[in-house]
Amino acid sequence: QKEVEQDPGPLSVPEGAIVSLNCTYSNSAFQYFMWYRQYSRKGPELLMYTYSSGNKEDGRFTAQVDKSSKYISLFIRDSQPSDSATYLCAMSARGSSNTGKLIFGQGTTLQVKP
Amino acid sequence: DAEITQSPRHKITETGRQVTLACHQTWNHNNMFWYRQDLGHGLRLIHYSYGVQDTNKGEVSDGYSVSRSNTEDLPLTLESAASSQTSVYFCASSGNRETEAFFGQGTRLTVV
Repeated sequence: QKEVEQDPGPLSVPEGAIVSLNCTYSNSAFQYFMWYRQYSRKGPELLMYTYSSGNKEDGRFTAQVDKSSKYISLFIRDSQPSDSATYLCAMSARGSSNTGKLIFGQGTTLQVKP
Repeated sequence: DAEITQSPRHKITETGRQVTLACHQTWNHNNMFWYRQDLGHGLRLIHYSYGVQDTNKGEVSDGYSVSRSNTEDLPLTLESAASSQTSVYFCASSGNRETEAFFGQGTRLTVV
């Protein structure tokens, strides 16, 4: 079983829809939770990160972490065609020996249709 | 602007050949990483380094090696390329924060 599970999709929605992306994980040592966005033939770029549990909002994007359920989510409001990309969740444990060592989900491919 | 660059962007090689992928960063980050990305697996860590002369194995290190002789560069070597190593390879670097890694544009490697 993989440490981090993510539905690969693909997910297709109309412009303006609310998108929900999710990951589950099994390692209770994970403390940092990230969402990366990757456009076709590009490297991943950090979109949002959350430490421990709770919510974080940045414009149209909201990240949620539920450590009790080992479940994280990314919500995109008023989705735009420019949001079409692959979204990867990533996690890491705390401590200097874990710096930058990210465990990724498989990535969900999102297409937002005009 | 600081950046991280990979070369080449595309490479085709034959089974059994030695191949080296270059990674160069100007962030002055101590930490550098190599990942491979395959359908159904996401990104998996191959090797990483926390400073000059420091190298460590990741989740899928068999058949790969790295060396760190300066802060800016972490080349990835495939000792004897195999078809199973056909993949997209990403280099990344990070500072001391435990959250943000900056990725290069990737190298698409095909082993025939």
